[in-house]
Amino acid sequence: ELKVEQNPLFLSMQEGKNYTIYCNYSTTSDRLYWYRQDPGKSLESLFVLLSNGAVKQEGRLMASLDTKARLSTLHITAAVHDLSATYFCAVDGMDSNYQLIWGAGTKLIIKP
Amino acid sequence: EPEVTQTPSHQVTQMGQEVILRCVPISNHLYFYWYRQILGQKVEFLVSFYNNEISEKSEIFDDQFSVERPDGSNFTLKIRSTKLEDSAMYFCATRLAEVYEQYFGPGTRLTVT
Repeated sequence: ELKVEQNPLFLSMQEGKNYTIYCNYSTTSDRLYWYRQDPGKSLESLFVLLSNGAVKQEGRLMASLDTKARLSTLHITAAVHDLSATYFCAVDGMDSNYQLIWGAGTKLIIKP
Repeated sequence: EPEVTQTPSHQVTQMGQEVILRCVPISNHLYFYWYRQILGQKVEFLVSFYNNEISEKSEIFDDQFSVERPDGSNFTLKIRSTKLEDSAMYFCATRLAEVYEQYFGPGTRLTVT
């Protein structure tokens, strides 16, 4: 059974600080996705990582993928309040119709 | 920018009633998915649909659930006899054939009383 584990599940931090969210998964999938969700809202795609060593950056967020370690990281640089949200990683199964299996989410609160 | 739309945004129903949740995919997308998210919990896969048939379904997607594409544009999820535990946010997602990224609709909040 494919499992996706995120940590931490909750993160409260000050503006201006750096931090990393970790996502471990249990299969040999090469594809990993990061989504953002604001309270009561839909899921916004942040990054699609399609191969080992993939690194993508958008503003203060940078995501990377190590398929050998089955690990992805989402790094936040100099956090600002607007980045407060819940961040989910997801993996699609190798033998599936690419449906997404999700981590539990990391609720990020950034205090001014 | 094209987007996935869902209706209704919020549905309140009594236990045992049938509900139909509707999704309009992005026009040239061929793969469709339903996911649900119980309040405060993670997103769970329900079913995937391609070429007018179910391609995969999860354990959650039992005989009470069904999907169809009745008119070539809408993609619907039907729950035949709702239970209290069906209360959740239901998201439709779609993607192109050659692109892995899924695009999500705004969701339908289903409340079963």
